[in-house]
Amino acid sequence: KAGVTQTPRYLIKTRGQQVTLSCSPISGHRSVSWYQQTPGQGLQFLFEYFSETQRNKGNFPGRFSGRQFSNSRSEMNVSTLELGDSALYLCASKPPAENYGYTFGSGTRLTVV
Amino acid sequence: EDKVVQSPLSLVVHEGDTVTLNCSYEVTNFRSLLWYKQEKKAPTFLFMLTSSGIEKKSGRLSSILDKKELFSILNITATQTGDSAVYLCAVEAYPGGSQGNLIFGKGTKLSVKP
Repeated sequence: KAGVTQTPRYLIKTRGQQVTLSCSPISGHRSVSWYQQTPGQGLQFLFEYFSETQRNKGNFPGRFSGRQFSNSRSEMNVSTLELGDSALYLCASKPPAENYGYTFGSGTRLTVV
Repeated sequence: EDKVVQSPLSLVVHEGDTVTLNCSYEVTNFRSLLWYKQEKKAPTFLFMLTSSGIEKKSGRLSSILDKKELFSILNITATQTGDSAVYLCAVEAYPGGSQGNLIFGKGTKLSVKP
């Protein structure tokens, strides 16, 4: 059974550019959440999608956006990149059953220079 | 604001030692508490706890939740070098809060020396 797949694994971008990250959840999982992980702040919630609808959004600026497709794959976009956006971006999916935890992908390491 | 606090932040032990990692929380719409192990990138799921006082076990790892005192512990017995990792505690809240469904602590970095 395939896990949560995130692409690309690594990205280097320049300040001011924009970037799109992709996440394919485990088959059958309809809930997809995105997290930003930095050494200082730990894991911080970005947003959650369920059945193509954004169900929840964290306290990040509007430069961070996302969407989910009908096959549950999700993308997140960051526009006008800043140096502080350098982080590991993790995606997690969850099955419909309530007593199962979230499964994380290996993340995308974004470096902004 | 909801928060999850883990202690200690780091810990160095020798192989064979037993360790206890702590997690306390203040989350208004508590649904469950989860433990993850993060070695390189992807946090890997260890336990999900929803009921107070019921211990979950998996090999040398065990965890228990106290919903009255709002904390959980993760025990690792007979530690091995392969247990070296960051252990993350997260509380799952019901959807709707701006902190999201999973509120994480900062983690405990465990280093096991041979």
